Amino acid sequence: DAMVIQNPRYQVTQFGKPVTLSCSQTLNHNVMYWYQQKSSQAPKLLFHYYDKDFNNEADTPDNFQSRRPNTSFCFLDIRSPGLGDAAMYLCATSRGGGGLLFFGPGTRLTVL
Amino acid sequence: GENVEQHPSTLSVQEGDSAVIKCTYSDSASNYFPWYKQELGKRPQLIIDIRSNVGEKKDQRIAVTLNKTAKHFSLHITETQPEDSAVYFCAASGPDYKLSFGAGTTVTVRA
Repeated sequence: DAMVIQNPRYQVTQFGKPVTLSCSQTLNHNVMYWYQQKSSQAPKLLFHYYDKDFNNEADTPDNFQSRRPNTSFCFLDIRSPGLGDAAMYLCATSRGGGGLLFFGPGTRLTVL
Repeated sequence: GENVEQHPSTLSVQEGDSAVIKCTYSDSASNYFPWYKQELGKRPQLIIDIRSNVGEKKDQRIAVTLNKTAKHFSLHITETQPEDSAVYFCAASGPDYKLSFGAGTTVTVRA
């Protein structure tokens, strides 16, 4: 089945220790998004790739970076995680940015 | 950028009654309006969506209405069931490919 896959599903890291979250998709969608969702809040867009073009939201902290080596994979790097970065990180894809998003299952990040 | 406001933040209904959630958006260029249902610890799931060239759309017990002039859209759930209990998010997107979410409504269906 075509889908969006995120690994790992649960990630525990220490304060300040870099962490990488991964997302892969078999939908062949050209747009990939990373959202941060904290408890009881709406998903917040961090950045997205339209093909190879990277688009950063104005309020995304510099601590967060992303890589998209090919159409299928996208990575979220958190260089120095703080306690406030503990959240669910959702990857999503869409075809042509037409609005319809397909979400992955999310990675729950815990920062100790 | 787009700003989406959603009301109410919590909604408790008796099983079998209807639930209505309302959202407003700010960007007149927005043309796509999905609704997502999210259960605890799970990903948002699309339940219904509507595009700006349509005023109303229905799928079984769920319907969405859109008023482009007033820039608001609503979700209607009829004959609510306990499994409808979840957090519901409205969203809007336009030509910039970005989806902006409302703050969410926690719906509780009382048996």
